[in-house]
Amino acid sequence: QKEVEQDPGPLSVPEGAIVSLNCTYSNSAFQYFMWYRQYSRKGPELLMYTYSSGNKEDGRFTAQVDKSSKYISLFIRDSQPSDSATYLCAMSGGGADGLTFGKGTHLIIQP
Amino acid sequence: DAGITQSPRYKITETGRQVTLMCHQTWSHSYMFWYRQDLGHGLRLIYYSAAADITDKGEVPDGYVVSRSKTENFPLTLESATRSQTSVYFCASSFLGGLADNEQFFGPGTRLTVL
Repeated sequence: QKEVEQDPGPLSVPEGAIVSLNCTYSNSAFQYFMWYRQYSRKGPELLMYTYSSGNKEDGRFTAQVDKSSKYISLFIRDSQPSDSATYLCAMSGGGADGLTFGKGTHLIIQP
Repeated sequence: DAGITQSPRYKITETGRQVTLMCHQTWSHSYMFWYRQDLGHGLRLIYYSAAADITDKGEVPDGYVVSRSKTENFPLTLESATRSQTSVYFCASSFLGGLADNEQFFGPGTRLTVL
């Protein structure tokens, strides 16, 4: 079993819809949780960053972490065609040992 | 330009050849990382470095060599390229200290094809 599971999609929704993206993980040592957005043929860019459990909101984006269930979510409100990209969850126990990524979910927002 | 850059952006080579991918960052970040991205596998860590002259293996280090003589550079060498090393390679860097350790910033990637 991979340490981080993420549905690869594609997930296709109409413009304006609320999008829910999720990851589950198995390593209890993970404390830092991130969502990266990656456009085609580009490097991943950090979208949201959360430490431990709880919610974090930034504009149209909300990240949720439930450590008891080992489950993290990213919600996108009022989705736009420009949100079409691959969304990667990533997590770490801390320090210099790099991030463990999910495989990414390919999101398509239909105009 | 400020930030993190990779070169070359595209590379085609043949099996058995040595290839070096370059990574340069201008933020003076202590930590640097190399990942490869493949369909069906996502991003996997190859090697990382906590500071100049300090490197360590990640999840998939076999067939790769790294060095870090200067803080700003972190080259990745494929000593004898194989077809299985055809991939997109991303370099990343992050600050030293506190929660910001884990906020990694990625370069644009190098698309490598081994024939």
